Amino acid sequence: GAGVSQTPSNKVTEKGKYVELRCDPISGHTALYWYRQSLGQGPEFLIYFQGTGAADDSGLPNDRFFAVRPEGSVSTLKIQRTERGDSAMYLCASSSGTGPNTQYFGPGTRLTVL
Amino acid sequence: AQTVTQSQPEMSVQEAETVTLSCTYDTSESNYYLFWYKQPPSRQMILVIRQEAYKQQNATENRFSVNFQKAAKSFSLKISDSQLGDTAMYFCAFISSGSARQLTFGSGTQLTVLP
Repeated sequence: GAGVSQTPSNKVTEKGKYVELRCDPISGHTALYWYRQSLGQGPEFLIYFQGTGAADDSGLPNDRFFAVRPEGSVSTLKIQRTERGDSAMYLCASSSGTGPNTQYFGPGTRLTVL
Repeated sequence: AQTVTQSQPEMSVQEAETVTLSCTYDTSESNYYLFWYKQPPSRQMILVIRQEAYKQQNATENRFSVNFQKAAKSFSLKISDSQLGDTAMYFCAFISSGSARQLTFGSGTQLTVLP
């Protein structure tokens, strides 16, 4: 079946602008995760959804970052008033069930803030 | 909080040879899961192998195997018969069996397989 998909694959924006990054998880996966990966580093956790609700948003760096998953499937990561330091690869992953199951990653969205 | 350390930023190996990538972690928990993920250049992260901490037997997946030493908090990855397609960044990752669901990653090891 289809894997995790993310759009757009690349996003270039100007400092101060608003951006939305989309993630479409594997069909049937109830858990969805967002991570941020800086160049040459491992991914860092941002937020975890179980169904429609954010079960853990402790990784969001500040209130400019927000994510939703209104119907328990597709999720959107929203970044307001972007800063150059927000430039990174944003990865989405999904997993089945509620336990510590294997997370399957999408190809990522590379965000560049000029 | 858990931490994962990969002390080898870069490694190289000749095609068909064997290479071992190191990973250590720190946790106060007794039950957890460990993973190795592979991220080829400009491609997405894929799972290589998974190990449950309660299992004493080391996981294997074809040419990939782990050496899990729970007391030493060590989780190394051995790649046998290395292939050019194994060239990638390899990340070690930890997840708790408790309520937290986020993966904690190491900083990665860039492996290059030389022809």
